[in-house]
Amino acid sequence: GNSVTQMEGPVTLSEEAFLTINCTYTATGYPSLFWYVQYPGEGLQLLLKATKADDKGSNKGFEATYRKETTSFHLEKGSVQVSDSAVYFCARAVTVNRDDKIIFGKGTRLHILP
Amino acid sequence: DVKVTQSSRYLVKRTGEKVFLECVQDMDHENMFWYRQDPGLGLRLIYFSYDVKMKEKGDIPEGYSVSREKKERFSLILESASTNQTSMYLCATTGGNPSEAFFGQGTRLTVV
Repeated sequence: GNSVTQMEGPVTLSEEAFLTINCTYTATGYPSLFWYVQYPGEGLQLLLKATKADDKGSNKGFEATYRKETTSFHLEKGSVQVSDSAVYFCARAVTVNRDDKIIFGKGTRLHILP
Repeated sequence: DVKVTQSSRYLVKRTGEKVFLECVQDMDHENMFWYRQDPGLGLRLIYFSYDVKMKEKGDIPEGYSVSREKKERFSLILESASTNQTSMYLCATTGGNPSEAFFGQGTRLTVV
């Protein structure tokens, strides 16, 4: 089937700590993979994406590498800031015929303490 | 930039009312989606549409209907609002190559 599993939160870290949020997916083939971020009171916005195996998506200091051997797309950041506090969603594309859907994980809430 | 606009940020409605949530996108995308977001449950797909006048049920369509009369507009309808429909509602569209999702800012609906 098609699913996305990400680590449950909340995750609480101190400023400048190293962040990892795990994400694995099930799929046939090689779907595009995404991380979306939702800041308080807002909708989701795309953080980064990768479209094929071994691609690395990066944005705002965040990175994620498309690993087909482990079907994973873990989100990492070397030094988090208070402003990174948000909910993070891992997602994958599903294409049926020519129609595209995005399937989301349940989200991981991140709290960064000053 | 793609813009997805939801008509309201906050709504308070009474039980039994008919509620319309409107979503408009300005990028000529064919695909549009309605999700609801609840703590611990993530995003759940209610309905989606791949073309005008076309609709498909998502994972939790009960108690909802949709309308897609024009390509840019996708409306979610709560026929008779109930308290368990209190939630954050998110509209999205997908497009581009490879496809990615673009979201509206969300509507927080409270049914009292």
